[in-house]
Amino acid sequence: AQSVTQLGSHVSVSEGALVLLRCNYSSSVPPYLFWYVQYPNQGLQLLLKYTTGATLVKGINGFEAEFKKSETSFHLTKPSAHMSDAAEYFCAVRLSSGGSYIPTFGRGTSLIVHP
Amino acid sequence: DVKVTQSSRYLVKRTGEKVFLECVQDMDHENMFWYRQDPGLGLRLIYFSYDVKMKEKGDIPEGYSVSREKKERFSLILESASTNQTSMYLCASRERQDMNTEAFFGQGTRLTVV
Repeated sequence: AQSVTQLGSHVSVSEGALVLLRCNYSSSVPPYLFWYVQYPNQGLQLLLKYTTGATLVKGINGFEAEFKKSETSFHLTKPSAHMSDAAEYFCAVRLSSGGSYIPTFGRGTSLIVHP
Repeated sequence: DVKVTQSSRYLVKRTGEKVFLECVQDMDHENMFWYRQDPGLGLRLIYFSYDVKMKEKGDIPEGYSVSREKKERFSLILESASTNQTSMYLCASRERQDMNTEAFFGQGTRLTVV
C-alpha cells in the first residue's frame, strides 16, 4: 500500500496564480513530512519539512505547507506562481521499516507555469 | 553545505555488462541511499546503508547489489545490466536515522542500457 499519495501528476497554473500541490500520507506513528523540488536534470533539494511543533511550515522560495493530522495531509502552497517554479515536486514521509527509518516518496507532481 | 557527488551524469552500457555507480558524500553522514526514478513512478528505494559495511534491501533490490566499505562512499552495482534498468539513479545521504533530518541528494546518473 502506498504511504504517500500525491494527487495529480501534473498541475498547470498561470504566472501569478495560487499554487496548490496535494499530498496525503498514511502512517501509524507521528510522521516526519518533507517536500522536495527537482529542477530538470538535477537532484532533489529540500523545500521544507515538518517534524514537530507548528503545523504551518515555511520553506524556501515562498512555499509553505500545513500539516493536518485529521486529514492526514501536507499540501504545498505558494500564493503567486513564478515561471521559475516550474519543476517536479515530491512529497516524502519518513517511514519505519524493520527498525530503520526510510524516506519514502510520492510519485511526484509536475508543476507547469504558463506566462 | 553537504555535497553528494555521483561519479557520472550520463552512462551508456551494453546489455550484460557489469555496471558500477559511485556516490560520495563529504559530511560524515551515517546513512546512504540509492533510489531509482522513473516517470510516473516517483523514487523507489533500491538499497540503503545505515553505516559502514551495513546494507538493507529496499523495495526493488532485484538485479542490484551495493557496497559500502568506507563511510563516505556507497556504490551501486548492476551485476548484468538489462534494458529494463535504463533509468535515472539518485544517491542520497542523511546524518543519522534517529534524527529528523532530511536527505541530501546527488545530481543523478542517467543510465541507458542498450
